[in-house]
Amino acid sequence: QVQLQESGPGLVKPSETLSLTCAVADYSISSDYWWGWFRQPPGKGLEWIGSIHHTGTTFYNPSLQSRVTTSGDTSINQFSLRLKSVTAADTALYYCARHEIKHGAIDYWGQGTLVTVSS
Amino acid sequence: EIVLTQSPGTLSLSPGERATLSCRASQSVSSSYLVWYQQKPGQAPRLLIYGASSRATGIPHRFSGSGSGTDFTLTISRLEPEDFAVYYCQLYGSSTGFTFGPGTKVDLK
Repeated sequence: QVQLQESGPGLVKPSETLSLTCAVADYSISSDYWWGWFRQPPGKGLEWIGSIHHTGTTFYNPSLQSRVTTSGDTSINQFSLRLKSVTAADTALYYCARHEIKHGAIDYWGQGTLVTVSS
Repeated sequence: EIVLTQSPGTLSLSPGERATLSCRASQSVSSSYLVWYQQKPGQAPRLLIYGASSRATGIPHRFSGSGSGTDFTLTISRLEPEDFAVYYCQLYGSSTGFTFGPGTKVDLK
């Protein structure tokens, strides 16, 4: 059973950078899966932020691409998200997850971490 | 940009009834990349169906997916109490990434 756990500040000030880490247990991020970030504003739907493969290949939501960076550290089996210049519109529950690209199915998710952007 | 529309927004049904949820794409898409999820309050989404019609591991047979082109359907043959939730369809594209529909809430009548 793959386990993912998000961690990071729950409160970020406007214009600052949101940084989250996802620790993966019981599965190596060096495997042939992708590792992604998704978010869900309170009471709203799901949005993809970006994904990374252990080879270092990344791809991002075109609407967020200018502000997003994802990275991975295979030595500690974690991957990370940085979203810069945040505004209140970035307040959401942030999920890390595992997915494949044969069908685009996201099969394992973290429990999510709420990030609020406020001064 | 492909947009996914789900209908109805809310479906009010009783246990034992059949649920039929619709997902429509703004242009024809490959069914290989159409996925369905279930989300309950306070939980992460759960993968139900991938490739439009293949059940994910551990998903009960009462869940089935169908469709092609622009129109896709998730059917729950007989609703169990644990099936009352929000259901999302999702499309994957190699250049566009993941696109989600707005969701259909299945609630208790």
